[in-house]
Amino acid sequence: QVNLVESGGGLVKPGGSLRLSCAASGFTFGDYYMTWIRQAPGKGLEWVSYMSTSGSAIYYADSVRGRFTISRDNAKNSLYLQMNSLTAEDTAIFYCARVRRRSGGLLKNNYFEMDLWGQGTTVTVSS
Amino acid sequence: DIQMTQSPSSLSASVGDRVTITCRASQSTNTYLNWYQQRPGKAPKLLIYGASSLQSGVPSRFSGSGSGTDFTLTITSLQPEDFATYFCQQNYRVPWTFGQGTKVEIK
Repeated sequence: QVNLVESGGGLVKPGGSLRLSCAASGFTFGDYYMTWIRQAPGKGLEWVSYMSTSGSAIYYADSVRGRFTISRDNAKNSLYLQMNSLTAEDTAIFYCARVRRRSGGLLKNNYFEMDLWGQGTTVTVSS
Repeated sequence: DIQMTQSPSSLSASVGDRVTITCRASQSTNTYLNWYQQRPGKAPKLLIYGASSLQSGVPSRFSGSGSGTDFTLTITSLQPEDFATYFCQQNYRVPWTFGQGTKVEIK
């Protein structure tokens, strides 16, 4: 069964750190880009970071660059998000998602779509 | 960053109604536009990719159109399970950005 399961969320004090994990199953993890998306309580979706299959391409949202680090272990079928210097604004449900990449054709960008999502893990930053 | 603006922010409709949601980008995104559905308490689900391609397993009452800056998600004959929040998302440029969402409620 194709599945993504996040873990590692919890309550952390401002300035603290947390490491999220995302375990993949049912597909060849190493063949896919992966991404983290978050959703603050009652709010919309915010893209956080994505990583290519080998890790050669990594991008972050401005809001987390320098504080968050995405990584993956293809042998363990796992994606990670190390989060440091957390603030109340980081309180959210964090989803990992599989990214399907399709060629846009000659001299065009690739298309990316998030075709499989985990159930999310909740991060609460509060004193 | 490319800003995505959806309209309306919410709407009330009845089962069987035709519903149209609009998404406008602050600059051209060609057809690098996806639509997602999020039911309450659940993770988002991909509905439409490449502006108009239906994701496998998604009912054919969902359709997408548009290119450049203006896009539309249409649901023909709204079903009870379609009451949810819908988000557009551009993947033309990093950072990938989402619309603020459109909540479809029962009239």
